[in-house]
Amino acid sequence: AQSVAQPEDQVNVAEGNPLTVKCTYSVSGNPYLFWYVQYPNRGLQFLLKYITGDNLVKGSYGFEAEFNKSQTSFHLKKPSALVSDSALYFCAVRALTSGTYKYIFGTGTRLKVLA
Amino acid sequence: KAGVTQTPRYLIKTRGQQVTLSCSPISGHRSVSWYQQTPGQGLQFLFEYFSETQRNKGNFPGRFSGRQFSNSRSEMNVSTLELGDSALYLCASSQTGEIWETQYFGPGTRLLVL
Repeated sequence: AQSVAQPEDQVNVAEGNPLTVKCTYSVSGNPYLFWYVQYPNRGLQFLLKYITGDNLVKGSYGFEAEFNKSQTSFHLKKPSALVSDSALYFCAVRALTSGTYKYIFGTGTRLKVLA
Repeated sequence: KAGVTQTPRYLIKTRGQQVTLSCSPISGHRSVSWYQQTPGQGLQFLFEYFSETQRNKGNFPGRFSGRQFSNSRSEMNVSTLELGDSALYLCASSQTGEIWETQYFGPGTRLLVL
């Protein structure tokens, strides 16, 4: 079965420190991986995606993610966290399920950046 | 370019009623998907429409239905509402729904069923 796992419900990091939000996946075939962020009472905003090519993907607001095929991971990173980065982060994979392509989302990781 | 818009933003209904939610995709986008977001279940895929046809469907009961119009606007209907239908309903659009495409989300409609 296709799945996405975000093992941490919450990540706390001090402002200015690097942050990592973890994501692992299990799909058959080539994965198409996405990161979205959700602020309170808002929809999801696209951050970045991996389709093919370079394993390091750069996205919006200084975020980047590294695709690791051997570890089936796609961790989200940022070198220096801001308080305004505090939000709910979702990893998603586009996968073929029952003959059609669907988004499968992780359960989300709440990032709290402490001033 | 205007983003995905959803109306209404908030709704309060009672059990047994029905509700219709509306979504206007980004101009030029022909694929519209609907998701239900709840604290316990996270984001769950409801269905996707492309060119007025339902192309994909998640594992929801038949009380959940949708349609898409020729201008790509989409509506979602939930009949015989249950307390468990209380959720944030998100609409997302993309140009053609291809596997590599980014979906762009609206702000959602928050439905409370009493």
